[in-house]
Amino acid sequence: GENVEQHPSTLSVQEGDSAVIKCTYSDSASNYFPWYKQELGKRPQLIIDIRSNVGEKKDQRIAVTLNKTAKHFSLHITETQPEDSAVYFCAASRRTGRRALTFGSGTRLQVQP
Amino acid sequence: NAGVTQTPKFRVLKTGQSMTLLCAQDMNHEYMYWYRQDPGMGLRLIHYSVGEGTTAKGEVPDGYNVSRLKKQNFLLGLESAAPSQTSVYFCASIKAEFVGENQPQHFGDGTRLSIL
Repeated sequence: GENVEQHPSTLSVQEGDSAVIKCTYSDSASNYFPWYKQELGKRPQLIIDIRSNVGEKKDQRIAVTLNKTAKHFSLHITETQPEDSAVYFCAASRRTGRRALTFGSGTRLQVQP
Repeated sequence: NAGVTQTPKFRVLKTGQSMTLLCAQDMNHEYMYWYRQDPGMGLRLIHYSVGEGTTAKGEVPDGYNVSRLKKQNFLLGLESAAPSQTSVYFCASIKAEFVGENQPQHFGDGTRLSIL
């Protein structure tokens, strides 16, 4: 089955700096890669996603890049703010079949004011 | 539209007790999922359903059973609760409207379950 590895497990940045979180996946048939933000005691919230036919996607301060050949994808947050502090999860799934998500183990991002 | 609603939100059980977690969605979604989230980990798939009357095992199905008698409801049962099942349980759903099209999963707020 699919295996998703995520790093780093913790990341501390100064307000205004950029943050980068990286994930690798094992199943070459995976073609959907969402990123979730989870605040303490809350549900995961989708912040951005990318499909395998796209190499990069951007939404304001957030961007995701995908390298299908190397089977890795990354989340980039620019101009970080204290409210960006949360746990971020990457995930992967196939377009067909059960379409269930396989999650990475999460990155705790702390943005220092 | 309430989206995905999970009940209960919190529950404390004793070892050996049984209970059922309910997930209800009002978006007419075909696919529904149960995940568990343990501290410091990502969500892991317990069971899933691709339509009314069908269920299948995920990565961590042991100790759980599920049923999907109605399209809008997906029930997760613990027949004999064990401390190892202490976790946060999330339900999610997607619509299979377009063949081969990925869609974001809609998550419920979670059920926090403690087994003593």
